[in-house]
Parts: sequence; structure tokens; C-alpha cells
Amino acid sequence: KQEVTQIPAALSVPEGENLVLNCSFTDSAIYNLQWFRQDPGKGLTSLLLIQSSQREQTSGRLNASLDKSSGRSTLYIAASQPGDSATYLCAVFNNQGGKLIFGQGTELSVKP
Amino acid sequence: NAGVTQTPKFQVLKTGQSMTLQCAQDMNHNSMYWYRQDPGMGLRLIYYSASEGTTDKGEVPNGYNVSRLNKREFSLRLESAAPSQTSVYFCASSTGAYYGYTFGSGTRLTVV
Repeated sequence: KQEVTQIPAALSVPEGENLVLNCSFTDSAIYNLQWFRQDPGKGLTSLLLIQSSQREQTSGRLNASLDKSSGRSTLYIAASQPGDSATYLCAVFNNQGGKLIFGQGTELSVKP
Repeated sequence: NAGVTQTPKFQVLKTGQSMTLQCAQDMNHNSMYWYRQDPGMGLRLIYYSASEGTTDKGEVPNGYNVSRLNKREFSLRLESAAPSQTSVYFCASSTGAYYGYTFGSGTRLTVV
């Protein structure tokens, strides 16, 4: 059974820092991996989608990497801003079963 | 704006009452999904519909029924609400795993 783990559960950093959020998964037979952002009381906004054949994807200050063989992905946020404060969720789409399976998220707080 | 629309946004039910959560997407996506999000449990799949006319159980289907009314609409019904069904419910859609998922803004349901 696929399990997705995100570490740390919560992170607080001063504005301007570069930071890395981690996501690990137990079954490497994934189709792709998606990073989402969730603001308090809101829905999920897709940030980056990495296919299993890709190593990384970039969007603005965000860079996501994928190492399928080791079951790991990282989300790198450059020059963090208070507006980046949110919960970040990673989810993998399994080859078997065809479902998106989520980690429990990292709650990020960026202090001015 | 194109996307996934959920109604209602908030609902309070008494134990034993029934209700239907509505979801509609205007992106011509084939697949639609219902998730629930609970503190400490993350997002868990309730039911999904891979294509119009098909539905399948997810991880936590007990106490719920679904209807894929047409390609655009996928509803979730609680026949006899229980306090354990207090949660935030998210609908999502996808045109295929390769393109990732798009989520609605959620329905906050409280059962008293």
C-alpha cells in the first residue's frame, strides 16, 4: 500500500530564506507527483506536476525535484515571502489503482 | 473562471439528516473524485468516477453514495449523517493522470 510522508509537519522561517520541503513515498511505481498549496479554510491549488520520467519542474521561485528510485521529492522555495505561508501537500498518482494519494502536508509560516 | 465548483460551501446537519453535495466542472474532464479532509488524517478518497457512467469506491466509502449525473456533474450523498462525517469535502477532476488534478474550494460540513 502506497504511503506518502511529509517532513517536517510544520516549519517557521524568517522572510528571505531559501527552504526545502520534503516528501517521501513507499512505492516507486508512480505515474506522477503533484505539489499543492492550501491556504487556511481554502481549497487546493496545484503548484507543480512532475511526471515519473522527469527529474524536476520549475515555476517562478518554486522548484520541485523527483527521485523515483529513492521514493523522494523536494519542493524548493527561493527567497521566501510572508505570502508563501500556507500548507504544502504532495500527492502521488499510483500506476496501480489509479488514485491520487496525499501526504499530510507541511505547514509553512514565513515571518516578516 | 473555468474550474471545479462545489455547493454548498458550508452546511450544518443534525444527526440522521440527509443531504447531497454538488460538484460541477467545466473543463471537459473525464474523471471526477470526492475526498474528505480531516485533521491528522490528511485527504482521503471517498469515491471516484473514472468516466461518465462509472463509479468506484475509494478508501473511505462507508456512509456515502455518489452519482455521476453527466460528464460535468458528480454528486455525493449522505443518507443518514453522523457526527463522524463532520469534515471538509473536496471535489476534484482530471482529464487523465498525466495532466494532474484540479480541486474545488470545498464544503465544510458539520454534523451535530
